[in-house]
Amino acid sequence: AQTVTQSQPEMSVQEAETVTLSCTYDTSESDYYLFWYKQPPSRQMILVIRQEAYKQQNATENRFSVNFQKAAKSFSLKISDSQLGDAAMYFCAYSGSARQLTFGSGTQLTVLP
Amino acid sequence: EPEVTQTPSHQVTQMGQEVILRCVPISNHLYFYWYRQILGQKVEFLVSFYNNEISEKSEIFDDQFSVERPDGSNFTLKIRSTKLEDSAMYFCASSLVYGYTFGSGTRLTVV
Repeated sequence: AQTVTQSQPEMSVQEAETVTLSCTYDTSESDYYLFWYKQPPSRQMILVIRQEAYKQQNATENRFSVNFQKAAKSFSLKISDSQLGDAAMYFCAYSGSARQLTFGSGTQLTVLP
Repeated sequence: EPEVTQTPSHQVTQMGQEVILRCVPISNHLYFYWYRQILGQKVEFLVSFYNNEISEKSEIFDDQFSVERPDGSNFTLKIRSTKLEDSAMYFCASSLVYGYTFGSGTRLTVV
């Protein structure tokens, strides 16, 4: 079974600075997708970024980018120019042949003004 | 942008009662899912549904739970004989392939 590990339960960053959230996963599959979801206090699940495992190029979405290291099974999220609205719980998630998402335990991000 | 719609947003029920949580997935999506998030914990997979039948289910999804797609648009999760520990946020999601869209969730409180 696949597992997703987020080792940082809480992180904080100064507004306008850069922060990196860590995620590692375990799988025997070669073809899969990785995701970062943001969950604000409203508890809605909002997709931040997605990475296909067969793509070597790291995904980017505006201020959000990932560092995908397939051999190391690592998938970190970098948030540049952090804004107050970035404060939320961030979940890393995996999807393979079974399609459903397996989530990590989350990292609570605080943005300090 | 297409949305996944969940109703109700909040439901309070007495222990032992049955509840039905409703979802309207995105119309051209093929895969439907239910997830659960107990307050302060991670999001857990319950069940996936494809081609009018369950394709995968987790250990959590026991005989207390059932899913249905009663018509071409709705996707429901029924919880029979609710327990206090069923109190959680329940999310519906749908996907065409690997692009998942989540609904805004139903907060279920069992008292």
